[in-house]
This record gives sequence, C-alpha cells and structure tokens, in this order.
Amino acid sequence: DVQMTQSPSSLSASVGDRVTITCRASQSISNYLNWYQKKPGKAPKLLIYAASTLQSGVPSRFSGSGSGTDFTLTISSLQPEDFATFYCQESYSIPYTFGPGTTLEIK
Amino acid sequence: QVQLQESGPGLVKPSETLSLTCSVSGGSVSSSRYYWSWIRQSPGKGLEWIGYIYYIGSTNYNPSLKSRVTMSVDTSKKQFSLKLTSVTAADTAVYYCARVLKTYDNSGFYTPLFDFWGQGTLVTVSS
Repeated sequence: DVQMTQSPSSLSASVGDRVTITCRASQSISNYLNWYQKKPGKAPKLLIYAASTLQSGVPSRFSGSGSGTDFTLTISSLQPEDFATFYCQESYSIPYTFGPGTTLEIK
Repeated sequence: QVQLQESGPGLVKPSETLSLTCSVSGGSVSSSRYYWSWIRQSPGKGLEWIGYIYYIGSTNYNPSLKSRVTMSVDTSKKQFSLKLTSVTAADTAVYYCARVLKTYDNSGFYTPLFDFWGQGTLVTVSS
C-alpha cells in the first residue's frame, strides 16, 4: 500500500496569510493526488485533483503542485471560511490512502 | 447538484453486523460514469476507504476489510448500502458515502475522483 504523510499536523495562521501544507507519498504516485477540505459536521469537499487541477467552484486562492512523491497545497490569502482540516489522498492504487490531515486554526 | 445522505443505526453490538444505506438525490445511481463508495474515519484517526460499487453490482473493496464487507446497490430506490460483519470497537467511526467519478488520464490510466460526499453518520460499536 502507498503510505501518505502530511506536515505540519496543525498550523495556526491569520486571515490574509499565505499557507502551505505538504503531503508525501511512500512511493511515486505520478500526479494522482487529491486534496480535500473538512469542516466539523460537514461533508468533505474536494478542492484539487490530479495534484494541481482546481475542482469547479473552488476559489483560485487554493492551488496545488507536485509530482512523484512530494506535493503541496497552498492557500494564497487565508479567508475566515478556510479554517478547517485538509487531507491529501492518493488515487493511484487501491486502497486510495488518505493522509492523516492538517488542521488549520485561527491565530 | 448531487446530494448524498447516510442512514442507519448509530449503535451496534460487538460481533454483530453494521448496516448503512446511502440515499442519492440530484443524480442517477445508474450512470456509467460513477462508482458509489464508503469511507470511514475512526475517532482520532484518518480517513479509510472501505470500497465502492458500480451500478451493475460489481465491487472493489479495501483488502484490509474485504473479508467482512458487502456492498449492494438498488438503482430503483437510488440507494446503495454497506454491510460490515463481526464488528468490534475498532469499527467505531463516522461513516461517509461518496460519489466517485471514473476518470482516465491521457495515458488511459484509471484514477477515481471522490467528488461528492455525504455529511457522515457516527456508528458506535458497544454492548
């Protein structure tokens, strides 16, 4: 199985900050990497797929990059509604493993 | 826009079978474009893919759960279901259903896209 790690596990930031979250795969997964946002009591929301393609309706302040084993999610200017937990997921092979999550908190 | 809603008992006894249903609105379960999936998140742990089912009934399961999982689909009711047998406390989790778009990149490589999710339902395994 592909193992996924994320760093940091939690992050405090302020509105307007630029934030970067890192995801690493235990083996090359090309660009088969997705990012999700999860808020308490809400359904997870797909933000980015294929490492860098923005899902329809997702604000352009979100961006993704990377290939192979190392990936990043960047939020260019944090908005109040962005505070949540973010998960990466490999869609390269079963069991489509998720990362452990990064919780973004308001400073 | 498609919406998914999980339903089922919130409490299951150890060794019994967990049964959940996902109802789909705003879209067709019979579409050849999608799989229908279950994912769970145990307290304090990450998300775990359980498996998915196609509208004709074909399935793919997480190998770690395969011996205990059965999924089914009822296209007339626009529902799909999960059964997990012989549950233990380790199966306590929030269970999500999701729609999975079948995508293929330029090289023809298949990759699933979990594009819409339900809000999740907590299932506790306890006597």
